[in-house]
Amino acid sequence: GQNIDQPTEMTATEGAIVQINCTYQTSGFNGLFWYQQHAGEAPTFLSYNVLDGLEEKGRFSSFLSRSKGYSYLLLKELQMKDSASYLCAVKDSNYQLIWGAGTKLIIKP
Amino acid sequence: GAVVSQHPSWVICKSGTSVKIECRSLDFQATTMFWYRQFPKQSLMLMATSNEGSKATYEQGVEKDKFLINHASLTLSTLTVTSAHPEDSSFYICSATAGTGDADTQYFGPGTRLTVL
Repeated sequence: GQNIDQPTEMTATEGAIVQINCTYQTSGFNGLFWYQQHAGEAPTFLSYNVLDGLEEKGRFSSFLSRSKGYSYLLLKELQMKDSASYLCAVKDSNYQLIWGAGTKLIIKP
Repeated sequence: GAVVSQHPSWVICKSGTSVKIECRSLDFQATTMFWYRQFPKQSLMLMATSNEGSKATYEQGVEKDKFLINHASLTLSTLTVTSAHPEDSSFYICSATAGTGDADTQYFGPGTRLTVL
């Protein structure tokens, strides 16, 4: 079966750094996406990785290791507005997007 | 770029009525649109995938006669919840992609919150 694993919930402090991990077992791999979803709102696209390595985009970075079936989203200089759920999704060999359950990130002052 | 709109943003209806939700890609042509449902504190559940001009592909367990999807143009897809019941109350979200292939990103509409009384 296909599976995406993320921690259910994480807590971090404003101004700090947090790393949200995602491991996957899918039939094939055609890219990994990270989305942010605030409560009651739709997801917004954050990043896309298809090759190994780190993609940096402002305060957010995403890393991929295809051999390990592993990715992480790194959030720096945390702000209160970063409190949200972060969804990891993998595109399989059929280009179907397989979604993780999301990680709820709580930022404390 | 890549803006997707949905209308209405929320709707309250009586049990047994039908509700239509529109999803539009505003600044690109969406060859493929997706419809999701999300219950409180749960992950996204893909309901169906629709390509312009063809019948939607429904996920297992989703009743195609209850959730009618029409993708009549490259910028518009509609989801009609027929004979809605309280258990259909949920957050319905559409997304759209501009093409096919491994670099395609889904851009989401703002969602429609449906409450069936």
